[in-house]
Amino acid sequence: DGGITQSPKYLFRKEGQNVTLSCEQNLNHDAMYWYRQDPGQGLRLIYYSQIVNDFQKGDIAEGYSVSREKKESFPLTVTSAQKNPTAFYLCASSMGRTAYNEQFFGPGTRLTVL
Amino acid sequence: GENVEQHPSTLSVQEGDSAVIKCTYSDSASNYFPWYKQELGKRPQLIIDIRSNVGEKKDQRIAVTLNKTAKHFSLHITETQPEDSAVYFCAARDSGGSNYKLTFGKGTLLTVNP
Repeated sequence: DGGITQSPKYLFRKEGQNVTLSCEQNLNHDAMYWYRQDPGQGLRLIYYSQIVNDFQKGDIAEGYSVSREKKESFPLTVTSAQKNPTAFYLCASSMGRTAYNEQFFGPGTRLTVL
Repeated sequence: GENVEQHPSTLSVQEGDSAVIKCTYSDSASNYFPWYKQELGKRPQLIIDIRSNVGEKKDQRIAVTLNKTAKHFSLHITETQPEDSAVYFCAARDSGGSNYKLTFGKGTLLTVNP
């Protein structure tokens, strides 16, 4: 299970506050992803990055922002513009370079808005 | 973009029986179809995948079949065991050059009763 970590495991936020979720990997993977998981909704892609200093919006990017300044790190900021941020957030990484590489997931962060 | 439908949403079987989960996809150019297993409280993990140039792939008790004409693929688990109980997600890789992103189905909760 090692190689990709997320912190914190649980996060509580007051309405109107921005919060940043951490994702780090030491697998030397080029590509990194952020998913949101809600009950019965599967995994929905928020943002992804295929290379340092580049990232693209996924299917539900509104209210979120990311950065990719280092290969190992892909933090996700949940802004106050996200209408319903309470969810389980999963980060993943893959080798990239080809389309067939396995995505490895982190343990997730559960965000609760109070 | 790609759309993946997954059925059923829940599946309950007796230990030793077989289980089948089906997915359909919309983008005829999709060429990679992985399956992930997520046990309760854990991260999703890849269990098997198939590329579009292959019709079937087996790995011990699990197999995946792909029908490109009908745009559907299925996961088959034989001789089910209680430890197979989990949520299973199918996914399809979006076509589009060097795009590595996956679109996931909404998941199937499989319960194997002893």
